[in-house]
Amino acid sequence: ELKVEQNPLFLSMQEGKNYTIYCNYSTTSDRLYWYRQDPGKSLESLFVLLSNGAVKQEGRLMASLDTKARLSTLHITAAVHDLSATYFCAVDMDSNYQLIWGAGTKLIIKP
Amino acid sequence: DAGITQSPRYKITETGRQVTLMCHQTWSHSYMFWYRQDLGHGLRLIYYSAAADITDKGEVPDGYVVSRSKTENFPLTLESATRSQTSVYFCAVGDGQFLNTGELFFGEGSRLTVL
Repeated sequence: ELKVEQNPLFLSMQEGKNYTIYCNYSTTSDRLYWYRQDPGKSLESLFVLLSNGAVKQEGRLMASLDTKARLSTLHITAAVHDLSATYFCAVDMDSNYQLIWGAGTKLIIKP
Repeated sequence: DAGITQSPRYKITETGRQVTLMCHQTWSHSYMFWYRQDLGHGLRLIYYSAAADITDKGEVPDGYVVSRSKTENFPLTLESATRSQTSVYFCAVGDGQFLNTGELFFGEGSRLTVL
């Protein structure tokens, strides 16, 4: 069964701290995506990771992909309240553009 | 320019009724997708379309019908709604770089409640 597992599913942290969200998947893939969703809103693309070793950074967020370990990480540096949201990873398992999604990590950053 | 418009944004219906959710894009991108979002499940693909008149099933197609007679529109129909179809439905579009990146752009969502 194709699975994408995120952990933690819920994370409450203080502003200024660093933390990492993990995304594990069950079969080989070279294409992994991170999306952000604010409560009651649409999903916004954050990162597109298309090869082993890919690393992308935008502001306080950095995403990486290790296809051999079937693992992607989303690292948050010096968190700020505006980063509070739910973060999803999604994997293109069969290179057919049908994504399998993780359950999401709800991130709450307290001032 | 909203890009992707979903309508209605909110809908309450009764079991057994037919419901159509519309997705409209202001561009002419080829790939369009329908997902449902349920708590604890992330998103699950219902149907997708690679071009006008070309549609294919996703992970959870049962109980849904799609059509794509025009490139810009991709309606999703629940022919006989059931309570298990209560969900938030998202339409997504792949832009001109989609075949290279696989990146999706999402509409605002349609929240459907089936009583």
